[in-house]
Amino acid sequence: DGGITQSPKYLFRKEGQNVTLSCEQNLNHDAMYWYRQDPGQGLRLIYYSQIVNDFQKGDIAEGYSVSREKKESFPLTVTSAQKNPTAFYLCASSRTGTDEQFFGPGTRLTVL
Amino acid sequence: ILNVEQSPQSLHVQEGDSTNFTCSFPSSNFYALHWYRWETAKSPEALFVMTLNGDEKKKGRISATLNTKEGYSYLYIKGSQPEDSATYLCAFTAGGTTDSWGKLQFGAGTQVVVTP
Repeated sequence: DGGITQSPKYLFRKEGQNVTLSCEQNLNHDAMYWYRQDPGQGLRLIYYSQIVNDFQKGDIAEGYSVSREKKESFPLTVTSAQKNPTAFYLCASSRTGTDEQFFGPGTRLTVL
Repeated sequence: ILNVEQSPQSLHVQEGDSTNFTCSFPSSNFYALHWYRWETAKSPEALFVMTLNGDEKKKGRISATLNTKEGYSYLYIKGSQPEDSATYLCAFTAGGTTDSWGKLQFGAGTQVVVTP
């Protein structure tokens, strides 16, 4: 089955630690995205990548980093510089930057 | 950051009733308007991608219209069923440069609860 997987589903982190969220897709999509959801707010774009080895900052990139070394993978690292990292993180992909996006199941990150 | 607003924030509908809700977005530099349905414990799922002023799209009992000149889109649910209960998200993409492609600005969503 084609789709997007994110792991883990739940993640706990101690303050001051970096943590990496995994996102993999087997849809052969060129574009991939990371969003963050906080209660009462819409999804906010953290980073996106329209093609392998290229990515751009979204609206709230500070304290996050990404890589796009393979077409199917777009991991997100939440660094200790992110001041309020507790949130629900969604990964998505699309065939191109203008098409509908397909979403993974999400990772809920809690900083203790 | 562009402002995409959805109203109402939530609504309760009796099974069988029809309902509609709004997404407003900047009317300048429009490229596309997306609608997604997000059911509890599932991933958001695309309903429509609309690009032309006057566009009307339909999927089953759900339909959407688009007015890019005044900056709004309506989503309609006809004869609501309990399985329509979800949060409906709209998202706007501006045009202009290739860097803006794929940069969806999401509204906060309209939560729909359909009661039997």
